[in-house]
Amino acid sequence: AAGVIQSPRHLIKEKRETATLKCYPIPRHDTVYWYQQGPGQDPQFLISFYEKMQSDKGSIPDRFSAQQFSDYHSELNMSSLELGDSALYFCASSPRVASYNEQFFGPGTRLTVL
Amino acid sequence: SQQGEEDPQALSIQEGENATMNCSYKTSINNLQWYRQNSGRGLVHLILIRSNEREKHSGRLRVTLDTSKKSSSLLITASRAADTASYFCATTSPGGTALIFGKGTTLSVSS
Repeated sequence: AAGVIQSPRHLIKEKRETATLKCYPIPRHDTVYWYQQGPGQDPQFLISFYEKMQSDKGSIPDRFSAQQFSDYHSELNMSSLELGDSALYFCASSPRVASYNEQFFGPGTRLTVL
Repeated sequence: SQQGEEDPQALSIQEGENATMNCSYKTSINNLQWYRQNSGRGLVHLILIRSNEREKHSGRLRVTLDTSKKSSSLLITASRAADTASYFCATTSPGGTALIFGKGTTLSVSS
């Protein structure tokens, strides 16, 4: 079965650079979620989209922005990168925005900021 | 963590033994889910229990939920070396969709 696809899988950036992470949800899933997991930490919710509109917002820094496109893929844009942004970034998708839905996670993008 | 604590933080057992992990949360929930994460990799959904359910089974997994105590437990029976991973509980609040994760339990199963 098709899974959530994230690209790139690994990314190395310098401080103050920008980064764009991409997420392709499972076909027919219209809701996308972004999570950040620092080293040894639990995943933290950043932001979610349903039908291309922001549906929920968590602890996403102002330096980050995200959007969902007409084909339901999503991009997380990160600017003025800081060392503390080094983390695993997960995208998850679900069939529709509903709190009883299971979220299917992608393999993650490992971002390293030097 | 926004959620609460998982207990224990680390657990080491032998193959064939049972492993029990506990999770506590702070707010009202709509459901509680358990996820597994192999080292530095993606999160795999294990089981979901709704707030009006008390117990659920899936294969070697048994999950209980006590909403009065705001706690849940995950039991893995007859553990295998392949069960070695970190286990996280995650909740969604009524009206919310974001998963709020606990700190996780690192399980090590040796053969």
